[in-house]
Amino acid sequence: GAVVSQHPSWVICKSGTSVKIECRSLDFQATTMFWYRQFPKQSLMLMATSNEGSKATYEQGVEKDKFLINHASLTLSTLTVTSAHPEDSSFYICSARDRDLGTFGSGTRLTVV
Amino acid sequence: AQSVTQPDIHITVSEGASLELRCNYSYGATPYLFWYVQSPGQGLQLLLKYFSGDTLVQGIKGFEAEFKRSQSSFNLRKPSVHWSDAAEYFCAVGAGGTSYGKLTFGQGTILTVHP
Repeated sequence: GAVVSQHPSWVICKSGTSVKIECRSLDFQATTMFWYRQFPKQSLMLMATSNEGSKATYEQGVEKDKFLINHASLTLSTLTVTSAHPEDSSFYICSARDRDLGTFGSGTRLTVV
Repeated sequence: AQSVTQPDIHITVSEGASLELRCNYSYGATPYLFWYVQSPGQGLQLLLKYFSGDTLVQGIKGFEAEFKRSQSSFNLRKPSVHWSDAAEYFCAVGAGGTSYGKLTFGQGTILTVHP
């Protein structure tokens, strides 16, 4: 089946710094990827839809200037958490639309200290 | 907009007992339905999914789920639970059309298995 790779699997950063998370489709081209966020002891919520070659579409309540999404190639989407604060500490996970719908990356646990 | 309800926040069963986790969805058309399992601190593992066809879907680890359109349900079952099944389970619904690929998750059900 399709494989979605996510990196890093965990990251700790200082408050005010930026963190980049990568989501790659390893054996297929992904024109659309999705980014989700899961706060501790909560469910997963869609943050944004990443479209190759165009602007991302953000869900209501998600700050597009804080969560920068770039989908510059058919195999890579990146999520950058800018000026991270402790409340951004969460589990971030991506998925791709194009093949094996329902396959997710392994996720990235972000801790902002 | 689609939505998912998992009525049970926490379920406890004894090892070897049968299991059923409930999931109800709301969506205007035929949905795509998924069940995932998540161990503490880990990512999501897809157990099974329903797109169309046979309404009884077999998944990994001995799990199965049945799509019942009349009840808007997609309950997950396992005949005999193992201690390693203790985890959190999420039901999700996916839409079609321009929203194809977007999943909406339920609140999750935490499964505890007693020896």
